[in-house]
Amino acid sequence: SQELEQSPQSLIVQEGKNLTINCTSSKTLYGLYWYKQKYGEGLIFLMMLQKGGEEKSHEKITAKLDEKKQQSSLHITASQPSHAGIYLCGADRGGADGLTFGKGTHLIIQP
Amino acid sequence: KAGVTQTPRYLIKTRGQQVTLSCSPISGHRSVSWYQQTPGQGLQFLFEYFSETQRNKGNFPGRFSGRQFSNSRSEMNVSTLELGDSALYLCASYAGWGTDTQYFGPGTRLTVL
Repeated sequence: SQELEQSPQSLIVQEGKNLTINCTSSKTLYGLYWYKQKYGEGLIFLMMLQKGGEEKSHEKITAKLDEKKQQSSLHITASQPSHAGIYLCGADRGGADGLTFGKGTHLIIQP
Repeated sequence: KAGVTQTPRYLIKTRGQQVTLSCSPISGHRSVSWYQQTPGQGLQFLFEYFSETQRNKGNFPGRFSGRQFSNSRSEMNVSTLELGDSALYLCASYAGWGTDTQYFGPGTRLTVL
């Protein structure tokens, strides 16, 4: 089955700094989702990418899907305490067994 | 538009009991998926319903079942609870066709003692 590898597993960043989270798939992605989760709560949808080379931004968060559609990156500019949480990437395998998720990246923002 | 709602939010059961969780999707969405989230396994797909029919099923034992009603609300049931069933159960709502964004509810935290 298709697996998603996220890196790093955890990240401690000083407030105001930039950071990048990566998500790598062993197979071509039909769709790649980024979600944010506060501990023990539901997932908040951030962005969905479908086309190779696609890039989307929302406020200070930018996500890209590489040309071969096997890797995505999430970049946060000028991090804030509100960015803290768990970031999850999810892959659509073409309508089969729901979304496959990575293990998540735990982001801590230090004031 | 109201988001995805799940009830109850927290549940404590003992081994051997059964439990029913409920999910109300976003208005107009016809598809609901269920996921189990644990610290060890992460998020795992349980099953997906579309227009009252189970469309896909993950690799979980038969103790896990679900259904969807004509108003798109969905329930999942776990019978003969085991300690390992303790998890956050999340449902996701989406329109139901194509590559469509899945919106998640707040989850139900199930603790099995």
